[in-house]
Amino acid sequence: QVQLVQSGAEVKKPGSSVKVSCKASGGTFSSYAISWVRQAPGQGLEWMGGIIPIFGTTNYAQRFQGRVTITADESTSTASMELSSLRSEDTAVYYCARDLITAISPDYFYYYGMDVWGQGTTVIVSS
Amino acid sequence: EIVMTQSPATLSVSPGERATLSCRASQSIRSNLAWYQQKPGQAPRLLIYGASTRATGIPARFSGSGSGTEFTLTISSLQSEDFAVYYCQQYHNWPHLLTFGGGTKVEIK
Repeated sequence: QVQLVQSGAEVKKPGSSVKVSCKASGGTFSSYAISWVRQAPGQGLEWMGGIIPIFGTTNYAQRFQGRVTITADESTSTASMELSSLRSEDTAVYYCARDLITAISPDYFYYYGMDVWGQGTTVIVSS
Repeated sequence: EIVMTQSPATLSVSPGERATLSCRASQSIRSNLAWYQQKPGQAPRLLIYGASTRATGIPARFSGSGSGTEFTLTISSLQSEDFAVYYCQQYHNWPHLLTFGGGTKVEIK
């Protein structure tokens, strides 16, 4: 049974950076992908990007390009998401989620949805 | 970018009644669609993938249909625990892009 446990809440100043971690237990970390999704207060879900550890590939939503970095450490089964140049609009709950996949090759996958989610990490950006 | 539009924004339903939620994609995504349920203060839960396949442990009262640009999530007989917000998500271009719809809140009538 895979579980994802995220780091704790953060309060940050505008212009600074935040790094949120997501530690997986159970399962084989390198056999699936991890996405990061955020949810601003009272708003919907927004995909920020993801990583496929087995291939070492990352992909980012265009609106976060240049501001977000997603990494994975297979030795500790931990994925991380760092968001820089924070502004008040980045105040949100940040979730990691397992993308359940079957990887045929680096360019060909079967995708079955985000089936395991972390508990969420609240990030508040305020001066 | 593929835009996902859900309707209605809010659906008022009595317990035991059927709920029908819609999701439209701005271009064809074949059957590359998932549905999620989110309750207040909780992370989302995967309900459906491949437009119509229930995820592990999801009750049979949840069903998904559609392909191309039009999709439907049906809850056949609403239980008290089903009142929540539901999101559709397209993964046609995964891993390069995922997008969610704006959500439909199912509330007690």
